[in-house]
Amino acid sequence: QKEVEQDPGPLSVPEGAIVSLNCTYSNSAFQYFMWYRQYSRKGPELLMYTYSSGNKEDGRFTAQVDKSSKYISLFIRDSQPSDSATYLCAMSAVAGGSYIPTFGRGTSLIVHP
Amino acid sequence: NAGVTQTPKFQVLKTGQSMTLQCAQDMNHNSMYWYRQDPGMGLRLIYYSASEGTTDKGEVPNGYNVSRLNKREFSLRLESAAPSQTSVYFCASGTGANQPQHFGDGTRLSIL
Repeated sequence: QKEVEQDPGPLSVPEGAIVSLNCTYSNSAFQYFMWYRQYSRKGPELLMYTYSSGNKEDGRFTAQVDKSSKYISLFIRDSQPSDSATYLCAMSAVAGGSYIPTFGRGTSLIVHP
Repeated sequence: NAGVTQTPKFQVLKTGQSMTLQCAQDMNHNSMYWYRQDPGMGLRLIYYSASEGTTDKGEVPNGYNVSRLNKREFSLRLESAAPSQTSVYFCASGTGANQPQHFGDGTRLSIL
């Protein structure tokens, strides 16, 4: 079992829908959580960065961390065709000042007009 | 703002050939990373450099070498390319431990 699990999709939704993307993890030491968006033939770009548990909102995007369940989510409100991309979660531990984040394999999202 | 620049963008090699992938960042970041991304496998770390003068192996280092030339530049070398090294290679940089990374747009490498 990988340390970070992420459903590869694809997840297909109509424009305007609320999208929920999720990752589960097994390492309870993870404290830093990130979501990246990757367009086709491009590198990943950071969307959200959170520390420990709770919610963080940025425009149409909300990141949620539930450490008790070892589960993180990214919600996209009012989804747009331009949101069509692969979304990668990543996380890292505090102990030892880890330089190596653990990435999920990514979920492909398709928002159709 | 260039960010992380990778060269070349595309390359085709024959088995056994060698090549160096170049990466440069202009954000004054301490840490730099090399990943490969294969369908269904996600991002896998090849090597990283926590700071200028240091390099360490990641998850899949076999068949690769790296050089942290200075704070800006981190190169990845394939000494004797194999078809299994056909992949998209991403370079990334970051300010340090547990901080987000900034990625380049990748080098698409095919080995015949």
